[in-house]
Amino acid sequence: QVQLVESGGGMVQPGKSLRLSCAASGFTFSTFGMHWVRQAPGKGLEWVAVIWSDGSKKSYADSVKGRFTISRDNSKNTLFLEMNSLRAEDTALYYCARMWFPNPPDYWGQGALVTVSS
Amino acid sequence: QSALTQPASVSGSPGQSITISCTGTNSDVGGYNYVSWYQQHPGKAPKLMIYEVSNRPSGISNRFSGSKSGDTASLTIAGLQAEDEADYYCSSYTSISALVFGTGTKVTVL
Repeated sequence: QVQLVESGGGMVQPGKSLRLSCAASGFTFSTFGMHWVRQAPGKGLEWVAVIWSDGSKKSYADSVKGRFTISRDNSKNTLFLEMNSLRAEDTALYYCARMWFPNPPDYWGQGALVTVSS
Repeated sequence: QSALTQPASVSGSPGQSITISCTGTNSDVGGYNYVSWYQQHPGKAPKLMIYEVSNRPSGISNRFSGSKSGDTASLTIAGLQAEDEADYYCSSYTSISALVFGTGTKVTVL
């Protein structure tokens, strides 16, 4: 069965960096694009970034463009989100989700909590 | 890209039917039949309930149905049950960015 497991979350000071990982199993990772979606405490879902299956195409939400970088290692079935210049408003539960183009995602991980606070 | 508009809350008694709306533009909901609906219980990840406007994934109860008219998609839950109490989000493919979500609706079973 499809499994997505995020890791790397934690508490970080404003302006610092953090890298999230998402380990995928139960499907052929290299043939699916992947999304990062976040949810601030008590708030709704916000799309963050997407990467195509071979990594050739990436897209970002305006709120993170220039600060966040999505990448993947298909040899290790792992998705990444490098987050730089973190702000308090980046505090959220970050989900990785499998792309089902052109549909919205079909499978989601359980999320990794990122807290940006001094 | 603005979020799709959903009512903040909808409630109903057990056995009743409720409908949640999701309004976008012709760049997302109105322009494509790639609208999905998710159910999210507290502390849990979103779960896909409807895709391509009206299709149910395997294992999803037929009490859940979807439709679309113009720029507005709708999710109907028939025969409301206590376990249906959750947050519901719509989502759509968009020509502006890769993906857009609705503002979310809290469903309360009275």
